[in-house]
Amino acid sequence: QVQLQESGPGLVKPSETLSLTCAVSGYSISSGYYWGWIRQPPGKGLEWIGSIYHSGSTYYNPSLKSRVTISVDTSKNQFSLKLSSVTAADTAVYYCARQPNFDYWGQGTLVTVSS
Amino acid sequence: DIQMTQSPSSLSASVGDRVTITCQASQDISNYLNWYQQKPGKAPKLLIYDASNLETGVPSRFSGSGSGTDFTFTISSLQPEDIATYYCQQYDNLPYPFGQGTRLEIK
Repeated sequence: QVQLQESGPGLVKPSETLSLTCAVSGYSISSGYYWGWIRQPPGKGLEWIGSIYHSGSTYYNPSLKSRVTISVDTSKNQFSLKLSSVTAADTAVYYCARQPNFDYWGQGTLVTVSS
Repeated sequence: DIQMTQSPSSLSASVGDRVTITCQASQDISNYLNWYQQKPGKAPKLLIYDASNLETGVPSRFSGSGSGTDFTFTISSLQPEDIATYYCQQYDNLPYPFGQGTRLEIK
């Protein structure tokens, strides 16, 4: 059974960098698929952030591209998200998921941007 | 960017009712459309992929249809456990937008 688990700080100060990691179990990232990040502000809808392949190939939501970096560590079977220069508008539950069908998701982690 | 217009935004129905949600893409996305169910405090759950394929383990009362720009999601007989918010999502073109969501309530 494929499982994904997000981890990282739940509180980030404005202007700083949000960093999250998604650990994958039950499937080797090196075997294929893209792996992505999605976020959901409290009470609002879902927004795709970006994705990465095991080779390191990435693609990002153009609205966030200037601030987003997604990386992969196949030795640890995990991938990571960095979002720079955060503001209160980046407060959200952040999910990781397997693409292209988004068939497996992590449980999500709430990140609050506040001083 | 492709826009996804989902309707209605909320829906109240009785147990046993047939429920239909629609999603319209601003341009042709072939059949690259998923439908998800999200319950409060939980991650979205994939129900339908490629517009009409039922994900493994999902009850057969859920179905999807459509291609191109117009898509429909149907619950043939609403059950109490179906109370949730439902989202469509296209994955033909970046940035893979989701619909605005449909909040489904029991009447």
